Amino acid sequence: DVKVTQSSRYLVKRTGEKVFLECVQDMDHENMFWYRQDPGLGLRLIYFSYDVKMKEKGDIPEGYSVSREKKERFSLILESASTNQTSMYLCASSFGSRGFSYEQYFGPGTRLTVT
Amino acid sequence: AQTVTQSQPEMSVQEAETVTLSCTYDTSESDYYLFWYKQPPSRQMILVIRQEAYKQQNATENRFSVNFQKAAKSFSLKISDSQLGDAAMYFCALESNYQLIWGAGTKLIIKP
Repeated sequence: DVKVTQSSRYLVKRTGEKVFLECVQDMDHENMFWYRQDPGLGLRLIYFSYDVKMKEKGDIPEGYSVSREKKERFSLILESASTNQTSMYLCASSFGSRGFSYEQYFGPGTRLTVT
Repeated sequence: AQTVTQSQPEMSVQEAETVTLSCTYDTSESDYYLFWYKQPPSRQMILVIRQEAYKQQNATENRFSVNFQKAAKSFSLKISDSQLGDAAMYFCALESNYQLIWGAGTKLIIKP
């Protein structure tokens, strides 16, 4: 059974803080993704990674960075949190070559509030 | 530009009845994939159905089936015999040209 876990379900941070969101998958998936989910906007891709140390920007990478040092772990970093980054953050992983045509397996999400 | 439109922000259905969620999309590609994902309240998003555009046959998964109209660029999801556990946000997504575009979602309410 594929399992994707995220380090926190809820997180409250102050403006300007550096924030780390961690995601771990246990199925040896090549691809990992970070999305943010806002009401009425669906999911928007922040970054994705198709291999260790490889990353590509998604639709809204500004204000975020990522790290993938090990295949099973993909971290999202908010360098200096701002209130407009208050959102639900979803991590996902999938098999296959670089791309989005395979089923994605999602973590439970981290609801981040920046005050 | 590739787009996915879910025109129904919210739908409700009586338990045991059938409901159809609509999704329209736009892409200039001829080969692509379409997905329906389900996100139950406070639970993880899961795949409901995946459809490959070159396959004419509509995908089905138990009580879930799609009506894929390639020429009309429509990909609706039909849920038969609705159950309380079907209550969720449903997202339609299009994979095309190395991008995955998501719709805004439809909240499905099941009335007991």
